[in-house]
Amino acid sequence: GQNIDQPTEMTATEGAIVQINCTYQTSGFNGLFWYQQHAGEAPTFLSYNVLDGLEEKGRFSSFLSRSKGYSYLLLKELQMKDSASYLCAVRLRGGATNKLIFGTGTLLAVQP
Amino acid sequence: EAGVAQSPRYKIIEKRQSVAFWCNPISGHATLYWYQQILGQGPKLLIQFQNNGVVDDSQLPKDRFSAERLKGVDSTLKIQPAKLEDSAVYLCASSSPRLTGSYEQYFGPGTRLTVT
Repeated sequence: GQNIDQPTEMTATEGAIVQINCTYQTSGFNGLFWYQQHAGEAPTFLSYNVLDGLEEKGRFSSFLSRSKGYSYLLLKELQMKDSASYLCAVRLRGGATNKLIFGTGTLLAVQP
Repeated sequence: EAGVAQSPRYKIIEKRQSVAFWCNPISGHATLYWYQQILGQGPKLLIQFQNNGVVDDSQLPKDRFSAERLKGVDSTLKIQPAKLEDSAVYLCASSSPRLTGSYEQYFGPGTRLTVT
């Protein structure tokens, strides 16, 4: 079976740092995506990790440990506009190419 | 470059009625996906096309849902008859690693369906 776990909600303060964790148990693994989704809008791509380690992109970083089935998204210097849902998605190996399994998402509220 | 287009953006129907959604992917993207996103949940893949062929429809409720991509470009998703639990946002996405060099899926704005 496929299982992806993320916290349901998180709250953080403007200017602070927040880490959103994602653990997964899937029948095959071929990479992990993080998407951002503002209320009522489409998901937009943030990062893709296929190898272990940290990928940094501006204020956003994403980490992957394949042996632990674990990833996190790190958001620095939080801004009010970062209030959104953050979706962790595993790209599966085998079967249909590029099939993604999404977690339920973490709703982040950034407070002044 | 134009993004993924979807219509309508909103639809309200009564249960047992039928409804259809349309999607036009990014030009040149061979792979097209339809997702169902229920409020408070992540997107769930309903069907995946590679050009005009189905590569995965394992989670499509085939007794009421159907989808086609006849010419390998735009696609239609239909629900007939609708149930209350079909109330959700229906997202269309497309991808083309060959064109973009990435496995990223590009999402459209979605169609919000309310079944009363």
